Amino acid sequence: DQQVKQNSPSLSVQEGRISILNCDYTNSMFDYFLWYKKYPAEGPTFLISISSIKDKNEDGRFTVFLNKSAKHLSLHIVPSQPGDSAVYFCAAKDYAGGTSYGKLTFGQGTILTVHP
Amino acid sequence: ETGVTQTPRHLVMGMTNKKSLKCEQHLGHNAMYWYKQSAKKPLELMFVYSLEERVENNSVPSRFSPECPNSSHLFLHLHTLQPEDSALYLCASSQDSGVRETQYFGPGTRLLVL
Repeated sequence: DQQVKQNSPSLSVQEGRISILNCDYTNSMFDYFLWYKKYPAEGPTFLISISSIKDKNEDGRFTVFLNKSAKHLSLHIVPSQPGDSAVYFCAAKDYAGGTSYGKLTFGQGTILTVHP
Repeated sequence: ETGVTQTPRHLVMGMTNKKSLKCEQHLGHNAMYWYKQSAKKPLELMFVYSLEERVENNSVPSRFSPECPNSSHLFLHLHTLQPEDSALYLCASSQDSGVRETQYFGPGTRLLVL
């Protein structure tokens, strides 16, 4: 059973417009969420994160929104740029069991293409 | 070198071969991870080392054997692999400091098992 889902395999957006990437989760024990970006032939790069005690976190052109009641988070990129074209993964962290490290559970990824 | 490095970047091996993947982190972190990414699947956590001790093994077959000799280095020893083990293997590290730790990834090793 996949606990973190990105239901859109791909998204195509015009340069300058807003990109909205969505992610749903099922495990209510997740308390920290991250977005990673991945270019071909590179590892995932950390983009932005949000704690479960917040509903919004902003960093430049990137904003992550968290709706805990709906178990849904989204990443907004505005304005979108061609260099943003990559695979975007959402990930959730679970600290259940009192462990001192966090296990990351990833979604399948969404391929974002920003057209000039 | 900065960040997390992995070698080799590409590897082709037969089912009877023995090979090792190497990961090195230059971030001063104390936790390291191996992930597997197969085509069209989410990243799957394989192993976690925290303070050089293995703390997680997600039911990974014994043909994958991790080794963490110190906090900066992590190896994944491979033997008698199957073609379905072909995937991208990613190493990550983090500073085990509580809720808001972030994992930083290496570029990965693209493995093909023939």
